[in-house]
Amino acid sequence: GQQVMQIPQYQHVQEGEDFTTYCNSSTTLSNIQWYKQRPGGHPVFLIQLVKSGEVKKQKRLTFQFGEAKKNSSLHITATQTTDVGTYFCAGAQTSGSRLTFGEGTQLTVNP
Amino acid sequence: DTEVTQTPKHLVMGMTNKKSLKCEQHMGHRAMYWYKQKAKKPPELMFVYSYEKLSINESVPSRFSPECPNSSLLNLHLHALQPEDSALYLCASSQLGLSGNTIYFGEGSWLTVV
Repeated sequence: GQQVMQIPQYQHVQEGEDFTTYCNSSTTLSNIQWYKQRPGGHPVFLIQLVKSGEVKKQKRLTFQFGEAKKNSSLHITATQTTDVGTYFCAGAQTSGSRLTFGEGTQLTVNP
Repeated sequence: DTEVTQTPKHLVMGMTNKKSLKCEQHMGHRAMYWYKQKAKKPPELMFVYSYEKLSINESVPSRFSPECPNSSLLNLHLHALQPEDSALYLCASSQLGLSGNTIYFGEGSWLTVV
């Protein structure tokens, strides 16, 4: 079955440092979505990528979808304490198939 | 603020109890989901309803029984649960289908089975 690997599992940074989490799928994806879950909270949708090589930005967050549509990354520039949480990628193998979540990257930001 | 509302937020139940989790969305979404999430793990899909019909059951034990009374409501009936069923139960909805559409999660119901 489809597997989505996400690394690193944990990342501790000083406020102001950059952060990147990577997602790799064993199969070609139809699309990939990113979610953020604050401690004690619920997953909140951040973005969806559909096109090969797509790059989208949301303020300090940059999302990329690989050319082969098998990998993706989320990069945060100059982290802030508000960025703390677990970031999940979730991929769909084909249109209409279930989403497979990565294991998540837990980000801690030291002020 | 989430537009998917779940009640109760916290629930403690004994192994012989019967309880229900409730979920409501008013976004006109036609797909609704139940996920289970353990600490430090990603959400695990349990059930999917599309157009009020159960379309996916991820081999969930029968002590969990979903119900979709209408397009806005989703329930999860719980009976004879085990302590290992303690988790965060997330309801979610999306516009149509399982992928290619944003999944909106509710705030979840924290369930403890004693």
